[in-house]
Amino acid sequence: EDQVTQSPEALRLQEGESSSLNCSYTVSGLRGLFWYRQDPGKGPEFLFTLYSAGEEKEKERLKATLTKKESFLHITAPKPEDSATYLCAVQGVGDSSYKLIFGSGTRLLVRP
Amino acid sequence: GAGVSQSPRYKVAKRGQDVALRCDPISGHVSLFWYQQALGQGPEFLTYFQNEAQLDKSGLPSDRFFAERPEGSVSTLKIQRTQQEDSAVYLCASSPTGGLNSPLHFGNGTRLTVT
Repeated sequence: EDQVTQSPEALRLQEGESSSLNCSYTVSGLRGLFWYRQDPGKGPEFLFTLYSAGEEKEKERLKATLTKKESFLHITAPKPEDSATYLCAVQGVGDSSYKLIFGSGTRLLVRP
Repeated sequence: GAGVSQSPRYKVAKRGQDVALRCDPISGHVSLFWYQQALGQGPEFLTYFQNEAQLDKSGLPSDRFFAERPEGSVSTLKIQRTQQEDSAVYLCASSPTGGLNSPLHFGNGTRLTVT
């Protein structure tokens, strides 16, 4: 069964303090791994898609990387506006490959 | 607006009432999804439409849940005889393709509270 586990559940950082969020996944065959950002009371907002091990994507202070078992979301010199819940999701190959399987998310709080 | 629109934003229902949640996807998007998000959890798949065809409803929790998209655009998720365990945020998402290798665009959800 496809599964996604995110850690830590919550993370508090001081402004400028870099860190990484982890997403471990189990899937029979990976079609794509997605990172989303979700603000309170809002729907998830797309950040990145990664397709194969070794791939990296960057956007402003965020960088996502992928291995065969996990993905990391690195946050460099975060700002308070980066505070949100970060969700990881996978799409597997097969008949139900359109489904996204989400983790429970990491709640990030960046203090000024 | 250019995004996915959901209404109402909040719905309070007494146990046993029927509710209907609406989703207006991005114009021209072929695929439409419904997800359920419990407090502190990630979204969970409910059902998938490609145009007007419901191709997968395996995630619907019970036969009290029903979804439709009769003209291939607007979709409605209906919950009959609501129960307390139905309390959650219901998210709608659309995609220009079949959802493969393309990100989903989510609405801001409907928060359903069953009292």
